[in-house]
Amino acid sequence: DAKTTQPNSMESNEEEPVHLPCNHSTISGTDYIHWYRQLPSQGPEYVIHGLTSNVNNRMASLAIAEDRKSSTLILHRATLRDAAVYYCILNTGTASKLTFGTGTRLQVTL
Amino acid sequence: AAGVIQSPRHLIKEKRETATLKCYPIPRHDTVYWYQQGPGQDPQFLISFYEKMQSDKGSIPDRFSAQQFSDYHSELNMSSLELGDSALYFCASSLGGGGPGGEQYFGPGTRLTVT
Repeated sequence: DAKTTQPNSMESNEEEPVHLPCNHSTISGTDYIHWYRQLPSQGPEYVIHGLTSNVNNRMASLAIAEDRKSSTLILHRATLRDAAVYYCILNTGTASKLTFGTGTRLQVTL
Repeated sequence: AAGVIQSPRHLIKEKRETATLKCYPIPRHDTVYWYQQGPGQDPQFLISFYEKMQSDKGSIPDRFSAQQFSDYHSELNMSSLELGDSALYFCASSLGGGGPGGEQYFGPGTRLTVT
């Protein structure tokens, strides 16, 4: 499976935008880029996914580099409830499993 | 909206006992996945089923088995439990076999403690 690299942790102030980076230099042409998050004591939660074009939904935006070797999850206004571990995952080929890496632990402060 | 249901939420067993975890997917979802998350670790994929057939297999011990039933619910059976099996077990569901574009929806998990 193609690997992703994320910073171990990031901090943000409440109501400010947060940009969570992910590197995936070995991504293949058919890999989708998925983002999930896991809040404390909860199951992982789907955030967003994309293939080549930038994507927006009610939770976040996903910006994908033109060469697809990196992507950025954008939370437009962080709240305390966004404090979680954010996972960037490549869903390889036709495999349906999610391979979780170490993710980025986001801390949001007042 | 209906979510993935897992039961029980908490389970305490002794070494060498057996345990059965149940997962009820979101209505109309035909694919179920099982993940294990040890203390302080990230979730690890165990096994998945699509239309009642095993579709993918991860690092699931031979002591564990799972199946998906005609109503699409799934059960994870764990035998000869070991202390190292203590973990959170998450079930997720998706529609249409998952695949690279398909998002998965996770349940709240079952916390298994083996003493």
